[in-house]
Amino acid sequence: RKEVEQDPGPFNVPEGATVAFNCTYSNSASQSFFWYRQDCRKEPKLLMSVYSSGNEDGRFTAQLNRASQYISLLIRDSKLSDSATYLCVVRGSTGGGNKLTFGTGTQLKVEL
Amino acid sequence: EPEVTQTPSHQVTQMGQEVILRCVPISNHLYFYWYRQILGQKVEFLVSFYNNEISEKSEIFDDQFSVERPDGSNFTLKIRSTKLEDSAMYFCASSGTGTGGFSGGSSYEQYFGPGTRLTVT
Repeated sequence: RKEVEQDPGPFNVPEGATVAFNCTYSNSASQSFFWYRQDCRKEPKLLMSVYSSGNEDGRFTAQLNRASQYISLLIRDSKLSDSATYLCVVRGSTGGGNKLTFGTGTQLKVEL
Repeated sequence: EPEVTQTPSHQVTQMGQEVILRCVPISNHLYFYWYRQILGQKVEFLVSFYNNEISEKSEIFDDQFSVERPDGSNFTLKIRSTKLEDSAMYFCASSGTGTGGFSGGSSYEQYFGPGTRLTVT
């Protein structure tokens, strides 16, 4: 089983649509969870951390289900500028020095 | 907003040559990392560095690789004898420690530089 598994997509959605991405992770000891966004041939950029209580940042909502080892990202009112690859990322400890394990990413294309 | 910087943006080298990739982490961060991404594949962890020593490394990070913090600002990745399969995008990242952090985020969050594209011919 892959450490972090995501549907690769692509998800092609019209502008204004709501889209949801899912991710599962295999290491039950993972403590920290993130969504990063990566544009073509660019660096991963932190979109948001994911907390057990769920969290929202504008049009973006992230949820974590530790029992199912499942993370989700919801994007409401999609914009053309949201087109990118969304990376599900986990870290093993709340310590500051632990490696990030990346999923392969889910590609989103927002169209007119 | 503080950011991680990397030089060069693109490095072309011949197989067997040594390369040094350079990074300037965010100034008040204490943890430094190197990751790589082969074209079309996922981002992979190479090594983490704290308090002037390696804290963790992956299987990829073999004897051909080394890291150094030569001064108070730079963090380097050296590949001693490059192979064709070392061709990839190399990302440097840094994170802080303790609570708080810039932009209101957790200081354990890792922030990435723009990367160095390494092409081995």
